[in-house]
Amino acid sequence: TQLLEQSPQFLSIQEGENLTVYCNSSSVFSSLQWYRQEPGEGPVLLVTVVTGGEVKKLKRLTFQFGDARKDSSLHITAAQPGDTGLYLCAGAPYYGQNFVFGPGTRLSVLP
Amino acid sequence: EAGVAQSPRYKIIEKRQSVAFWCNPISGHATLYWYQQILGQGPKLLIQFQNNGVVDDSQLPKDRFSAERLKGVDSTLKIQPAKLEDSAVYLCASSRLEAFFGQGTRLTVV
Repeated sequence: TQLLEQSPQFLSIQEGENLTVYCNSSSVFSSLQWYRQEPGEGPVLLVTVVTGGEVKKLKRLTFQFGDARKDSSLHITAAQPGDTGLYLCAGAPYYGQNFVFGPGTRLSVLP
Repeated sequence: EAGVAQSPRYKIIEKRQSVAFWCNPISGHATLYWYQQILGQGPKLLIQFQNNGVVDDSQLPKDRFSAERLKGVDSTLKIQPAKLEDSAVYLCASSRLEAFFGQGTRLTVV
């Protein structure tokens, strides 16, 4: 069973601060996705990383895939209240196989 | 491009009743997933379809849950009979490389 762990479980910060959340596994993934989920909605895809060591930037969000393709991080610069939500990572061990989700990091950005 | 459509958005039923959820995936996506998300947790896979065939249903409680995707497009998930612990959001997703989710159906069993 592929298992994804995320840390921290909860994070509450002030607007303007920087933060990093982590997604770790003992298994290798062919690709890894990050999603943000707001209350009452389905998860919304933020990014997919597929190459070990890959770094992708999406405005104030920076995503990194570990060299061994077992872990990933999401860094947010100058967090805003609109960044509040549940951040989920999901990995697929092989193309076409089902996605395994981590438990999520619940982020709260206070104005 | 239209997203994944799910209905209903909300459902409240009594325990031991039956309920069905419907999902229409993104056009052209052969893979369809049903996930169960209990409050405060990440989504847990119930079943994965590739076209109209089941790829993985190892975590589907088959004594009460069933799902079908007869024509390889729309899918339904049924619970019969429902238990209190089935209260959750049921998410449908479809994919090529990346999974895209519907808004989910929030089920409350009382």
